[in-house]
Amino acid sequence: GENVEQHPSTLSVQEGDSAVIKCTYSDSASNYFPWYKQELGKRPQLIIDIRSNVGEKKDQRIAVTLNKTAKHFSLHITETQPEDSAVYFCAAIRPYGNKLVFGAGTILRVKS
Amino acid sequence: GAGVSQSPSNKVTEKGKDVELRCDPISGHTALYWYRQRLGQGLEFLIYFQGNSAPDKSGLPSDRFSAERTGESVSTLTIQRTQQEDSAVYLCASSSQGWTEAFFGQGTRLTVV
Repeated sequence: GENVEQHPSTLSVQEGDSAVIKCTYSDSASNYFPWYKQELGKRPQLIIDIRSNVGEKKDQRIAVTLNKTAKHFSLHITETQPEDSAVYFCAAIRPYGNKLVFGAGTILRVKS
Repeated sequence: GAGVSQSPSNKVTEKGKDVELRCDPISGHTALYWYRQRLGQGLEFLIYFQGNSAPDKSGLPSDRFSAERTGESVSTLTIQRTQQEDSAVYLCASSSQGWTEAFFGQGTRLTVV
């Protein structure tokens, strides 16, 4: 089955700097890769996702890149702000009835 | 409803008692997941339902845990003979086909005393 590894487990950055979180997956058939943000005491919410037919997707200050050959994908947050502090989870899924598999999560702290 | 709804929001139970947690997915969503999240930890997969297929129960930690789903509607997670290590937030999520965005409920915070 699919296995998703996520690094780093914790990340501290200065406000305004960039943050990068990386994930690798094991199943080459996986084709959907979402990223979730979970603020303290709240439910995880989707912030960006990418499908295997594209290599990069951007939404304002966040972007995701996908390297299918290497089976890894990354979340990039530019110009970090204190409100970006949260736990971020990556995930991967293959189509047709298979479950979404999450990474272990990254605690991002943005210091002001 | 507009989103995934879970009940109760909080549950305090005595060790050894059984509990039932409920999840109402978004209407029309065929995929439904249950996860457990201990304090400060990640999302621990418990069980996955997809349409009328047999559920993927590979994440259930012991035979004290079970879950049911009627068709593409409500799901119930049952924990029998609760133990203190069962204390956690139990999150439910649903998605339209399983390989699209999953929407999470607000969770049920279970405390076993």
